[in-house]
Amino acid sequence: DTGVSQDPRHKITKRGQNVTFRCDPISEHNRLYWYRQTLGQGPEFLTYFQNEAQLEKSRLLSDRFSAERPKGSFSTLEIQRTEQGDSAMYLCASSPLGPQHFGDGTRLSIL
Amino acid sequence: RKEVEQDPGPFNVPEGATVAFNCTYSNSASQSFFWYRQDCRKEPKLLMSVYSSGNEDGRFTAQLNRASQYISLLIRDSKLSDSATYLCVVLDAGGYNKLIFGAGTRLAVHP
Repeated sequence: DTGVSQDPRHKITKRGQNVTFRCDPISEHNRLYWYRQTLGQGPEFLTYFQNEAQLEKSRLLSDRFSAERPKGSFSTLEIQRTEQGDSAMYLCASSPLGPQHFGDGTRLSIL
Repeated sequence: RKEVEQDPGPFNVPEGATVAFNCTYSNSASQSFFWYRQDCRKEPKLLMSVYSSGNEDGRFTAQLNRASQYISLLIRDSKLSDSATYLCVVLDAGGYNKLIFGAGTRLAVHP
């Protein structure tokens, strides 16, 4: 499968715990995006990488959130001290210079 | 005001019906527009781009009215498999190609 891969597919955790998600983009796609989607809403932009450089961050990305793309390939999104409001689907997308291709997402549930 | 607004639906239509979805966007500088389809608990998938002259892909027709900042999607001869949420998407005019999604319109096609 050469699509965007995200891991894990589901994550259930207690409030206050830290979680980390991984995204493997389509190889040779230099652009990588993270979005968050809550029930009944469309995805909302969180952050953007071009190669290893994080070029844009949404104000939705509080200090508890951090994203990295250390070698310009896979990316990680970490949420520290999770809160109920963090429950959502976290979507990763990649693209060359063109349409974005989305992964299956990681569904996060906070107990 | 949201940047991209859609009627949330749901639209409940019989097989074979023609259904139209509408969308408005707030940033007149926006240049690129798309319709994405999202099945329940799945990732968004690009359905079609929307061009100024209007474009058609089989049973699907997309229209753009820049003066009114209005986008539409027409589905002819609805199939059961068309049941999904349709997301109106605008490419951010500020650079980095982030996508701005509407909340989506739900379509349910019944026998």
